[in-house]
Amino acid sequence: TQLLEQSPQFLSIQEGENLTVYCNSSSVFSSLQWYRQEPGEGPVLLVTVVTGGEVKKLKRLTFQFGDARKDSSLHITAAQPGDTGLYLCAGVQSHGSGNTGKLIFGQGTTLQVKP
Amino acid sequence: NAGVTQTPKFRVLKTGQSMTLLCAQDMNHEYMYWYRQDPGMGLRLIHYSVGEGTTAKGEVPDGYNVSRLKKQNFLLGLESAAPSQTSVYFCASSYITAGRADTQYFGPGTRLTVL
Repeated sequence: TQLLEQSPQFLSIQEGENLTVYCNSSSVFSSLQWYRQEPGEGPVLLVTVVTGGEVKKLKRLTFQFGDARKDSSLHITAAQPGDTGLYLCAGVQSHGSGNTGKLIFGQGTTLQVKP
Repeated sequence: NAGVTQTPKFRVLKTGQSMTLLCAQDMNHEYMYWYRQDPGMGLRLIHYSVGEGTTAKGEVPDGYNVSRLKKQNFLLGLESAAPSQTSVYFCASSYITAGRADTQYFGPGTRLTVL
């Protein structure tokens, strides 16, 4: 069974600070996705990383996929109150006989950015 | 486009009662998924479907049944509800492109309490 460990689970910071969220596994994933979820809503995809070592940027958010495709990180620069939410990493299960698109989710990181 | 919709938004059941959660998508997606979300555990896959008339078990299928009679609808049934099934349930749908994971689009969730 492939598992994803996400850390930290809770993070409360002041506006303008930087932060990093980690997503680790002992298993290899074919790709990894990051979602953001706001209270009362479903998760929304932020990014998909596919290649080992890949780095993607989305404004103040930087996503990195580990060289061995077992881990990923999300770095937020100069956090804003609008960044507050639940951040989830999700690994795409390695393909067997077909691509089912099944995701393995980490436990999530609840981020609170105070003004 | 409404995207992914879920009915109902909230429900309270007594132990032993049954109910059906309805998920509908208007994006012509082949793949549909049911997840449950519990505090500190991320999202866990209950059942999924890779096309009309097909269903498969996910990570936590016990106590649930599903049906996909029409491409746009995916139903999740609880035959005899238990307090351990108190959770927030999310439906998602996606395209699948060979060899990679596509975006999963989530509904707004159904909050279920079993007393």
